[in-house]
Amino acid sequence: AQSVTQLGSHVSVSEGALVLLRCNYSSSVPPYLFWYVQYPNQGLQLLLKYTSAATLVKGINGFEAEFKKSETSFHLTKPSAHMSDAAEYFCAVSEGRDDKIIFGKGTRLHILP
Amino acid sequence: DTAVSQTPKYLVTQMGNDKSIKCEQNLGHDTMYWYKQDSKKFLKIMFSYNNKELIINETVPNRFSPKSPDKAHLNLHINSLELGDSAVYFCASSIRTSGTRNTGELFFGEGSRLTVL
Repeated sequence: AQSVTQLGSHVSVSEGALVLLRCNYSSSVPPYLFWYVQYPNQGLQLLLKYTSAATLVKGINGFEAEFKKSETSFHLTKPSAHMSDAAEYFCAVSEGRDDKIIFGKGTRLHILP
Repeated sequence: DTAVSQTPKYLVTQMGNDKSIKCEQNLGHDTMYWYKQDSKKFLKIMFSYNNKELIINETVPNRFSPKSPDKAHLNLHINSLELGDSAVYFCASSIRTSGTRNTGELFFGEGSRLTVL
């Protein structure tokens, strides 16, 4: 069965610094991988997704993620953090054989002024 | 124009009561879901319907009963509410393309916060 592990339930970075949120996945078949963002009191929205095309995926708000099969990782990065990036970030995996999307436990990103 | 809308947004009720949450999507998607998010933000899938047919039922107590009158609506009824049912319940929808893998891109509602006292 597929699963994702997000390392670090809380990550703090200074405004303007690099953002790195870690995600490792487990899947018995080539997975589809996703990053979602949740702002306070809102639902989740898709940041970006990997569906077996280019391994470096660019998303909204300047975020990108790289699929590394050898490391079973899909880490999310942004070169320069902005205060508005403060939110909860979820990595998710789908094997696509059913409609089940499994989410990681989330990482709260704090931006320090 | 809200894509996935849930009502009510907040529910406060006593243990033992029955409550319902409604969800509607105007995206034309075939698949709809209910997810439960607990106080630690952990998001767990509960149910999934494709074109009114139940396709995922994740070891959820029988007190929870989803109903999909048509592919644009997925409601959740909860009987005999317990303290542990307190959570935020999210409805979501996605496109399911026949013959290809589901892209898995979910569109979420804003959530319904249920508090059981």
